[in-house]
Amino acid sequence: DAGVTQSPTHLIKTRGQQVTLRCSPKSGHDTVSWYQQALGQGPQFIFQYYEEEERQRGNFPDRFSGHQFPNYSSELNVNALLLGDSALYLCASSLLRRGYTFGSGTRLTVV
Amino acid sequence: GIQVEQSPPDLILQEGANSTLRCNFSDSVNNLQWFHQNPWGQLINLFYIPSGTKQNGRLSATTVATERYSLLYISSSQTTDSGVYFCAVGGGGSNYKLTFGKGTLLTVNP
Repeated sequence: DAGVTQSPTHLIKTRGQQVTLRCSPKSGHDTVSWYQQALGQGPQFIFQYYEEEERQRGNFPDRFSGHQFPNYSSELNVNALLLGDSALYLCASSLLRRGYTFGSGTRLTVV
Repeated sequence: GIQVEQSPPDLILQEGANSTLRCNFSDSVNNLQWFHQNPWGQLINLFYIPSGTKQNGRLSATTVATERYSLLYISSSQTTDSGVYFCAVGGGGSNYKLTFGKGTLLTVNP
């Protein structure tokens, strides 16, 4: 049973560029959430997608956007990258809030 | 929003020792999970435990929801237990997000 799969694992981008991160949820899960984890901090909630709609959003600017596809997979897009966007981006999936399963993350470095 | 406090922030043990990690939260929750983050960044789910007690091998956890705290016990620690342990809680209603504590950095020395 595959867990949560994220791609790519590492990414280096230049300030001002745009990036797309991808996530495939655990089999049987229908909800996908995205988190940002800065070095030495706990993960911070970006947003959650359910039934292809953004259901809840954290305190992140509109530069952060997402999408969920009919097969429940999801993308996180970040526009106009800033140095401060450098972080580990984690995707989590769940079914009916009964526990979240996290992927291995995408480590984004903005230079 | 819900506040989550974990203690201690750092813990250094010798292999074979036991430890207790604590998580306090400020409001009622319908989801509480303990995670272990390995050196490569992956968050591994240890327990989904909004209330009650669970055990999995050398690890066990207890959540007393009415008193708003949870404990994670690690017995006979091993070097592979090293890493950061996070407590994360979720509210109810239209609040679906997990709020994480700052974590406990555990170092187990051989």
